[in-house]
Amino acid sequence: AQKITQTQPGMFVQEKEAVTLDCTYDTSDQSYGLFWYKQPSSGEMIFLIYQGSYDEQNATEGRYSLNFQKARKSANLVISASQLGDSAMYFCAMREALPISSGSARQLTFGSGTQLTVLP
Amino acid sequence: NAGVTQTPKFQVLKTGQSMTLQCAQDMNHNSMYWYRQDPGMGLRLIYYSASEGTTDKGEVPNGYNVSRLNKREFSLRLESAAPSQTSVYFCASLRTVDSSEQYFGPGTRLTVT
Repeated sequence: AQKITQTQPGMFVQEKEAVTLDCTYDTSDQSYGLFWYKQPSSGEMIFLIYQGSYDEQNATEGRYSLNFQKARKSANLVISASQLGDSAMYFCAMREALPISSGSARQLTFGSGTQLTVLP
Repeated sequence: NAGVTQTPKFQVLKTGQSMTLQCAQDMNHNSMYWYRQDPGMGLRLIYYSASEGTTDKGEVPNGYNVSRLNKREFSLRLESAAPSQTSVYFCASLRTVDSSEQYFGPGTRLTVT
């Protein structure tokens, strides 16, 4: 079973409107983290927002908010007041424990992404 | 503050050739990671280094080796490149295991013909 599922391969939104990008996850860890990254056509990975599994309030960063529903195992990204520059691929990712040789480490497991296009 | 740097940015190899992708971070981070991104897909972990002197396999390690040269540098080597290794490679680092952000390098676009 996939650990991170993004069911929307592509989304369109009108400029200045809000859009929700869906993400569901699967883990048996009690402590984990959920991330959203933006990847524009230039290719770099840009960190947007983070939600820890023990955080009681939904994370917000400017126009980005994360709608975290722990019981449903969902972590949807909400972008308010969309801008043309928001057109990009968006990835949801989960941080969970890794098997380790020494010390400790975490990995990010990524979903397949949602291509968002903002229309003028 | 350069963050995470990768060299080269682009590379074309012929099947069977070898090469090393270089990654360095100047943030004094303990953990470093190598991912690959295939077209239309998310990133998949190749190898990681939890701390200086340790390395471990990730999800897709076959055909790769790594070296954590020191705390700053983490290199990825392809001993005998194959067309299936055509991908974009990202290096990343993390300050501590529970840090809220993983910093990514700009990526290396590798084509194997």
